[in-house]
Amino acid sequence: SQQGEEDPQALSIQEGENATMNCSYKTSINNLQWYRQNSGRGLVHLILIRSNEREKHSGRLRVTLDTSKKSSSLLITASRAADTASYFCGAAGNKLTFGGGTRVLVKP
Amino acid sequence: DGGITQSPKYLFRKEGQNVTLSCEQNLNHDAMYWYRQDPGQGLRLIYYSQIVNDFQKGDIAEGYSVSREKKESFPLTVTSAQKNPTAFYLCASSPPDPGSGQPQHFGDGTRLSIL
Repeated sequence: SQQGEEDPQALSIQEGENATMNCSYKTSINNLQWYRQNSGRGLVHLILIRSNEREKHSGRLRVTLDTSKKSSSLLITASRAADTASYFCGAAGNKLTFGGGTRVLVKP
Repeated sequence: DGGITQSPKYLFRKEGQNVTLSCEQNLNHDAMYWYRQDPGQGLRLIYYSQIVNDFQKGDIAEGYSVSREKKESFPLTVTSAQKNPTAFYLCASSPPDPGSGQPQHFGDGTRLSIL
């Protein structure tokens, strides 16, 4: 199975609510990256957290990393309809390995 | 503007035919990658190249071939040996990445279908 695995597979929320998704990985990593993919488009890099960091913020995004549990979470605060997309984690070991993604629907 | 251009956006393949997907970048990145994405799935690495005239197989290289004759270009050929080629193909690039995990920049993909 792939290095990164996201949970849940799908998430539906109302605009203004927070969205939280989780990622688990199997081997040691240099960093953990989160990407967004709009339907029919390529991935866009959102945020990178290094293996020696525990938490990182960027605008409405908050990422945590727990290397002891080999897991990461992405929190999107005050979600907007434009946040509707699939979100992928990429575990950067000797190569970047992606999970299956979390599909997020933000309803207006 | 700097970026990655993939063409064509849609491509149809007949039985027994080889098709080539184009990927060009003007980001001056050394490393380039090809991924396959099946519906509702994540990305799987097909081939990658860290430098011109060198490339390595990824996790699902069988039935595919690549070349890296120029820094800017990394075309992918889907050969007739690939029996299930229908998928969304994504090309990406990054600065030199000797295991350090540089973020990757992606093109907008080519959707390949069988006629």
